[in-house]
This record gives sequence, structure tokens and C-alpha cells, in this order.
Amino acid sequence: GAVVSQHPSRVICKSGTSVKIECRSLDFQATTMFWYRQFPKKSLMLMATSNEGSKATYEQGVEKDKFLINHASLTLSTLTVTSAHPEDSSFYICSASPAGGGRETQYFGPGTRLLVL
Amino acid sequence: GENVEQHPSTLSVQEGDSAVIKCTYSDSASNYFPWYKQELGKRPQLIIDIRSNVGEKKDQRIAVTLNKTAKHFSLHITETQPEDSAVYFCAPSGGYQKVTFGTGTKLQVIP
Repeated sequence: GAVVSQHPSRVICKSGTSVKIECRSLDFQATTMFWYRQFPKKSLMLMATSNEGSKATYEQGVEKDKFLINHASLTLSTLTVTSAHPEDSSFYICSASPAGGGRETQYFGPGTRLLVL
Repeated sequence: GENVEQHPSTLSVQEGDSAVIKCTYSDSASNYFPWYKQELGKRPQLIIDIRSNVGEKKDQRIAVTLNKTAKHFSLHITETQPEDSAVYFCAPSGGYQKVTFGTGTKLQVIP
């Protein structure tokens, strides 16, 4: 149980295009989903916290107009990197907290590797 | 925000030896203390966690100890195996605090 999927697993795009990444909780409902970014050999940096049916809470330094987050249902959150640039190339990982399980319980998706040319 | 540091940043041990990684944090309100293992290019996986009402927890070769007064907790791996090689992250949190991941420790187990 507690499986989280991400799609796509890998994406290469041209500079200036937008990329959408989906995060799904497959066998549980998630009231809260988190989006992280991880550079090579670095730690996970929280970008934003997404609550179903409300606006995401962004961490300091993360542009909300560049990284659009939508949490339309209890099993799906999407991250759209708008007008991507090479510096946006990174490993993006989502996690989901089960409804009623407390925010500290997180199940991670497999990650999406984004390369912007 | 929470300041979370891990030591050491890299650790090499011979197969069969023990490994200890320490995580120090700054927020005294933290009450949940997990350790994650991340293999290259993969998702972090929870390997053990402890809550603030307990000082130690063990699961086979893995244990976590907590010193809430000093604000640190440690991961202990005994009888290390090559498949234990990975990057390990601590991520203390509490209630509705955001989770802050530690700086990471790369463990290499030499066969």
C-alpha cells in the first residue's frame, strides 16, 4: 500500500516551453502533497506544499508564477514548470501525506528528471 | 526556519562494520524524527523513524536514538552490507511544521 506515482519519469524540453509533472497517490487519499527539487548530490529542497482544494503554499525564493501547482483532487497534484530554462533542470520529487495520517507521514514518488535544453 | 545538519557528509566502512550518522536540528518543537535512504536516481525511502516520547527504536540491523534535550538523533546501522550503500537523510518535523531534510550522508560500504 501507500504507492505514489509520478509522470513523466524523464522529460527533455526546449527552453521556453512549459512542462507538466503529475503526482498521484494510487491507493490512498492525500490531503497534502509536497513538491521537492533535488540538484545532483544535494538534499531535497521543499518547493511548495499543496493542499487539496486550496492554493499551494510556496517556500521562500520559489516563484509561484513559474512553478504552478494544482491539487484538484485527493489523489492528484500537478506541477507545471512554465517557460522552462536550463537552470530549471533538476530532479523533481513529490510526496503525499495520507488523509488523517499527519503531515509527517510522507510517501514519495519516484521523481521526474527534467532537462531543459 | 529549521536548521538541520548531518555528520559526517561521507562515510566509508568495511562490510560488517557499524555506521553511525548524526543529525542535529534547531527547532525544539520537532517531535517526529525519520531517516530516509536514497539510492542514486531513486525516491527516498523511509527506513526508520522515532517520535519524541521514545529514546530509542530498533529494527533488525537499524536503530535510531534520540536526544531531545541536545536536539540530535542518530542512525545506527550494524553489520553493514554493500546494499546499505546510499545517501541517508534525516528530516525532523513536528505537527504542521514543514519538513526540512538534512544535508545528507553518503555511505559507502566496501566489500
